[in-house]
Amino acid sequence: GAVVSQHPSRVICKSGTSVKIECRSLDFQATTMFWYRQFPKQSLMLMATSNEGSKATYEQGVEKDKFLINHASLTLSTLTVTSAHPEDSSFYICSARGPQQETQYFGPGTRLLVL
Amino acid sequence: QKEVEQNSGPLSVPEGAIASLNCTYSDRGSQSFFWYRQYSGKSPELIMFIYSNGDKEDGRFTAQLNKASQYVSLLIRDSQPSDSATYLCAVHMEYGNKLVFGAGTILRVKS
Repeated sequence: GAVVSQHPSRVICKSGTSVKIECRSLDFQATTMFWYRQFPKQSLMLMATSNEGSKATYEQGVEKDKFLINHASLTLSTLTVTSAHPEDSSFYICSARGPQQETQYFGPGTRLLVL
Repeated sequence: QKEVEQNSGPLSVPEGAIASLNCTYSDRGSQSFFWYRQYSGKSPELIMFIYSNGDKEDGRFTAQLNKASQYVSLLIRDSQPSDSATYLCAVHMEYGNKLVFGAGTILRVKS
């Protein structure tokens, strides 16, 4: 139980284009999902908290107009990186708050490379 | 002061030994604590969580919590080379209702 999927697993795009990443909870409903970013050899950085049916809460320093989050259903949250630049290249990981209160289960991650 | 602190390591232990990973946190009101394992290039996977003071055992893993000292640890018995990974301590913060992660401790188990 508590399986989270992400799609795509890897994406390469040109600078200036937008990329959408999907995060799905497969066997449970997740009212809250989280989006993290991790640069090589660095720790996880929380970008935003995504709540079903309401606006996402962004961490300090994260541009909400650049990283668009939509959580339209209890099993799906999407992150769109708009006008991507090479410095946005990173490992993007989502997690979903599971049935057991504060426990978070992570998706497999999406590796983004912006050329 | 960081909210969640871990020694970055690497911590090297021989195969079969006990690996001890430590974590301290700043929010005295925190109630829920988690250990995740992250292999290189992969996303974190949950090992176990602990809410109450004392020990909680799950197979080769034991989590220990001391709220008075604001300290949580993870013991791995009979360490295997496959346990080599980065271990992340996470603490649930009531403010913001989110997990705050430590930077992680790199564990290397040598055969």
